[in-house]
Amino acid sequence: SAVISQKPSRDICQRGTSLTIQCQVDSQVTMMFWYRQQPGQSLTLIATANQGSEATYESGFVIDKFPISRPNLTFSTLTVSNMSPEDSSIYLCSAYTKGLTFGSGTRLTVV
Amino acid sequence: GENVEQHPSTLSVQEGDSAVIKCTYSDSASNYFPWYKQELGKRPQLIIDIRSNVGEKKDQRIAVTLNKTAKHFSLHITETQPEDSAVYFCAASIRAGSYQLTFGKGTKLSVIP
Repeated sequence: SAVISQKPSRDICQRGTSLTIQCQVDSQVTMMFWYRQQPGQSLTLIATANQGSEATYESGFVIDKFPISRPNLTFSTLTVSNMSPEDSSIYLCSAYTKGLTFGSGTRLTVV
Repeated sequence: GENVEQHPSTLSVQEGDSAVIKCTYSDSASNYFPWYKQELGKRPQLIIDIRSNVGEKKDQRIAVTLNKTAKHFSLHITETQPEDSAVYFCAASIRAGSYQLTFGKGTKLSVIP
């Protein structure tokens, strides 16, 4: 399976600011996925990052709040914009190579 | 959209016993069903997956069964060990042929030595 690394691993941010999370895969993948996991909860798909086209967002998530970049087949970023305490969560990227695997996650706390 | 129900939410077993976690899904077009183990503070780890053209898959002490007609799938762990203690999530593909997943709410498994 692919090795997926994320950074930062954690951050504490002021409300109203933005944070960009980076995700690097050690092999080329067609699609990368961004999930959110709120404390003690399950995982929810935010969007699918496609190389060469705009990301596709799931219901309840919009591009203005969670802009995504996908400049090549091994890298993606997710920005959490204009943050509020409700955005405090773990953000995980994932990709499929011999199974859908997850990055190490970014634990975001908004104060 | 796809909806995945997972039961039970918590499960305690004696070491050496078997554990079974069950999930149901709503969309008959779903065709990819992975299971993840998540230890506290760690990322979800893929432990086994199954596709809709297969009824059962095994990997050592872990097995998954799929009943497409009833739209349910189950995780079976035999000879449980304390290190099996974790939260387990089932998932189903949101769209046929995709790896976009909707997850169950998770099962906290405790293996008692």
